[in-house]
Amino acid sequence: GNSVTQMEGPVTLSEEAFLTINCTYTATGYPSLFWYVQYPGEGLQLLLKATKADDKGSNKGFEATYRKETTSFHLEKGSVQVSDSAVYFCALRGSGTYKYIFGTGTRLKVLA
Amino acid sequence: EPEVTQTPSHQVTQMGQEVILRCVPISNHLYFYWYRQILGQKVEFLVSFYNNEISEKSEIFDDQFSVERPDGSNFTLKIRSTKLEDSAMYFCASSEGGNPYYNEQFFGPGTRLTVL
Repeated sequence: GNSVTQMEGPVTLSEEAFLTINCTYTATGYPSLFWYVQYPGEGLQLLLKATKADDKGSNKGFEATYRKETTSFHLEKGSVQVSDSAVYFCALRGSGTYKYIFGTGTRLKVLA
Repeated sequence: EPEVTQTPSHQVTQMGQEVILRCVPISNHLYFYWYRQILGQKVEFLVSFYNNEISEKSEIFDDQFSVERPDGSNFTLKIRSTKLEDSAMYFCASSEGGNPYYNEQFFGPGTRLTVL
């Protein structure tokens, strides 16, 4: 069945460092891929998405490219800020289904 | 900005007791969902609900679980007889009408359920 694997956390970085959070997936057909972020005490918020191969999703300086050949959707940001400290979830939604399939989440802590 | 709200933020109950988790979806949304995350594990889909019917459910969503939209604003998840393994964070979500296979799901902050 469909599944998502993302890197274990926590990830601790200094402000302005480069961020990569790895995400790989297993799916039949052509899933849509998502990154959600959860700030403390808040719900899961959509950060970016990509609906087909080679699409690049981007928002707030974060980017991820849908790579079908490597079944990956890695999250990157060139220069993180303290305010980016949160838990990041990679997710997919298969064709013709409502449900999202999530990874376990990666906690990011950015130090000033 | 409209948001999904959930109450309570933390619920503690004894094994075997019934619990009701409450959600207020975004007001013009038509599709509603419950997910859960057991500590240290993945966020898992439980159920989707549209037009007063379950439209999709996972194998986790057995007869112990039920969902209801009792009025025009609330969406509830009931667990009839809680087990220790029901301890988890429960997330409610909603999405607009139109194509639910494409529309973004908006999530609430979650209710942490602890079963003793």
